[in-house]
Amino acid sequence: DTQLTQSPSSLSASVGDRVTITCQASQDIRNSVNWYQQKPGKAPKFLIYDASHLETGVPSRFSASGSGTYFTFTISSLQPEDIATYYCQQSQNLPFTFGGGTKVEIK
Amino acid sequence: EVEVVDSGGGLVQPGGSLRLSCATSGFIFTEHDIDWVRQPPGKGLEWIGRTRNEANTYTTEYAASVKGRFTISRDDSKKSVYLEMTSLEIEDTAVYYCVRDLTGESYFDFWGQGTLVIVSS
Repeated sequence: DTQLTQSPSSLSASVGDRVTITCQASQDIRNSVNWYQQKPGKAPKFLIYDASHLETGVPSRFSASGSGTYFTFTISSLQPEDIATYYCQQSQNLPFTFGGGTKVEIK
Repeated sequence: EVEVVDSGGGLVQPGGSLRLSCATSGFIFTEHDIDWVRQPPGKGLEWIGRTRNEANTYTTEYAASVKGRFTISRDDSKKSVYLEMTSLEIEDTAVYYCVRDLTGESYFDFWGQGTLVIVSS
């Protein structure tokens, strides 16, 4: 199975800060990484596909990049409504796998 | 508007069975694969399986953790998918999400609200 290692597992930042999460794959998965946001008690929400493409309607402060085995997800200016857990997911190999999640909190 | 509504969760004893349902609307159901993803309380997400669309001959695929115990089926006429779970274990306790899969891309663009399955004696 393709393992995805997300870091950090949690972070605390101030409103307006730039926040970056990394997702490292155990093997080359090209650009087949997607990102989701999950708020407490809610289903995950789809944000980014194919490593860097923003889903329609997702605010432009969210972005992502990467290929191969190393991927990053960035919030350019953290907002209070961004408090959530973020997950990467690989869609290159079965079984599809998720990273362990990064919990983002406001300092 | 795309809607995905999962249901059927509840309390079941170890070794028991349960059937979850996923009703969809607002999109061309036959064009999409449908997956199931679960989340144990306080933990991360785990993909457990999918049913492919007609163009992909309705193939089903499963995670090793549920293969042989769980069965995914679909009824295109009802735009619905089902997850039949047997030989349930305490470790199967989780919120189960039905998700729309963009066929050929395998990312999950619409999620059900989740249905909680508790396996306990």
